Amino acid sequence: QKEVEQNSGPLSVPEGAIASLNCTYSDRGSQSFFWYRQYSGKSPELIMSIYSNGDKEDGRFTAQLNKASQYVSLLIRDSQPSDSATYLCAVNLYLGFKTIFGAGTRLFVKA
Amino acid sequence: KAGVTQTPRYLIKTRGQQVTLSCSPISGHRSVSWYQQTPGQGLQFLFEYFSETQRNKGNFPGRFSGRQFSNSRSEMNVSTLELGDSALYLCASSMDRGIYNEQFFGPGTRLTVL
Repeated sequence: QKEVEQNSGPLSVPEGAIASLNCTYSDRGSQSFFWYRQYSGKSPELIMSIYSNGDKEDGRFTAQLNKASQYVSLLIRDSQPSDSATYLCAVNLYLGFKTIFGAGTRLFVKA
Repeated sequence: KAGVTQTPRYLIKTRGQQVTLSCSPISGHRSVSWYQQTPGQGLQFLFEYFSETQRNKGNFPGRFSGRQFSNSRSEMNVSTLELGDSALYLCASSMDRGIYNEQFFGPGTRLTVL
């Protein structure tokens, strides 16, 4: 079992819709969870971090964490073509000084 | 505040050669992590340094090594290059505030091994 799993997609949504990206992780002791956006040919850019159960909202982005289910998600409201990118879920292992990344989900937002 | 910088941005080497990549973290960040990114394997953790000490290492052969200097700048070295080492090498820095370990990436070094 991979430590961090994501649906590779591609996920295609129309402009203005909600995009829902999901991620599961295997280490129950994980404390920190992150979402990165990576455009083709560029490096990953941090867009959300979440540390406790529940929802965290930042503009059009909402991160959701459920530690009991070992599940993290990212919702993008009012999706725009500029949101088309690969979204990487990352989990920081407990006291491991090591962050594990999922393989990423490719998102396409159709105008 | 300046971001993470990496040099060089592009490198072309031949099999058997060695290469050294450099990373300068964001000012005040003492933790530096290195990753290898390839289309087939995604982002793979190489190693993490804090205060000149390697705290963790990924599953890479001993040809991959790194170090960190007292000013937090870091270098990684790959010896005896193989074709499979062609990848984007990314450096990320963080303040390492316990679990609040947000990492910020540099632009990467694109290494091509011929």
